[in-house]
Order: sequence, then structure tokens, then C-alpha cells
Amino acid sequence: AQKVTQAQTEISVVEKEDVTLDCVYETRDTTYYLFWYKQPPSGELVFLIRRNSFDEQNEISGRYSWNFQKSTSSFNFTITASQVVDSAVYFCALRSQGGSEKLVFGKGTKLTVNP
Amino acid sequence: EAGVAQSPRYKIIEKRQSVAFWCNPISGHATLYWYQQILGQGPKLLIQFQNNGVVDDSQLPKDRFSAERLKGVDSTLKIQPAKLEDSAVYLCASSFWAGPQETQYFGPGTRLLVL
Repeated sequence: AQKVTQAQTEISVVEKEDVTLDCVYETRDTTYYLFWYKQPPSGELVFLIRRNSFDEQNEISGRYSWNFQKSTSSFNFTITASQVVDSAVYFCALRSQGGSEKLVFGKGTKLTVNP
Repeated sequence: EAGVAQSPRYKIIEKRQSVAFWCNPISGHATLYWYQQILGQGPKLLIQFQNNGVVDDSQLPKDRFSAERLKGVDSTLKIQPAKLEDSAVYLCASSFWAGPQETQYFGPGTRLLVL
């Protein structure tokens, strides 16, 4: 069975702080894809990144970076120098090749960046 | 490029009434998904279409929920009769194809409140 755990329900930081959102996943499939989405108060899920199971290179995009570690089944997301506009709920999601192939989401982490 | 469109954005109904939601995917996307997102949780897949055929409806409560995508483009999700526990955000997503590596792009959602 596939499962995504985001243990941090809510995080509150002050602007310009760095913050890391944790994501731990479970799957028995060897080929799978991991995603991060951002859900601002408007409600729309905004795609941030996709990673496949064969690519463990870390990714950096501006203030965002992702650390994928198969050894610990984790795909953590770091925001550097956080801004108020980063306030949102962030979801980690997993989709395996083979099996049900559904996109399975974690429960999300609500990030509040205070000025 | 236009994103996924959904309407209405908000709907309030009384239990046992019926309601319908509409979704228009990104142009050229063959795969369309409907998700249910209950407050405080991640989205859960209800049904997946590939063109006008159903790929996965294993989590759709078929006694009250129905969905169609007759011409392989836009789609309608219906609830009849609604229950209190159907209060949620209904998200539509689309992807170019159906594979697990495909990124799903989400619409703004329809917030349903059942009284």
C-alpha cells in the first residue's frame, strides 16, 4: 500500500527564516514519482516539483530546494528566506507505477509566515 | 495557456438535495480526475477518466455519486442525494496522459456545504 506522512501539521515562522517541510513515503514499487503541491487560501493546488525514484539529485529552484533520500524514504522541502506569500498548505504526494497508480496525498502542512 | 476551469466555485445545499459540478480541463489533456478534499486532509481521488472512458472509480460512492465525460473534454460530477459528510472541496485535475509520471494540474475547486 502507498502512504505519505507529513508529520508537521502546522508551522509558524517569521519572515526571512528558513523552514523545512518533512515528507516520508511508503511504497513497495521500485518505480514511483513524488510531487509537492502548494495550496494557497484561494484553494487551487499549484504544482511545485516532480521527482522520479531513479533520480536522487537534490533540486534547487530560487528559494525552494528539495532533498530526496531513498534510504530514509523522505522527500523534504526547504524554503530559504521565507516570505509572507509562502503562507499556504503544502502537500507531498506519491504515485507508483504498478499497483493502483493513484496519486496519494499526505495530510498537508500549513505554513504561516509572519511579517 | 488556460488552466483547469471549474464551476460553480461555491455551493450551499440542504441534505438530500442534488448538486452538479462542472470541469473543463486544460486543452489537449486526455486524462481528467475528480478529487474530494475534506477539511484538514489531502485530496482523495474519486474518479479518473481517459478520454471518455473510466480508468478508476474504485473510491467513488456509486450509490450517490456519478460522473461523466461524454465527449472526452469537459466533465460533470453529480451528487444525489447529498449527505452532510459530502461537505468538502471538489477538485478537478487534468494531465496530458494517464501515466504515473504525468503531472496533474488542478482547478480552483468547488466548495460544497451541505446543511
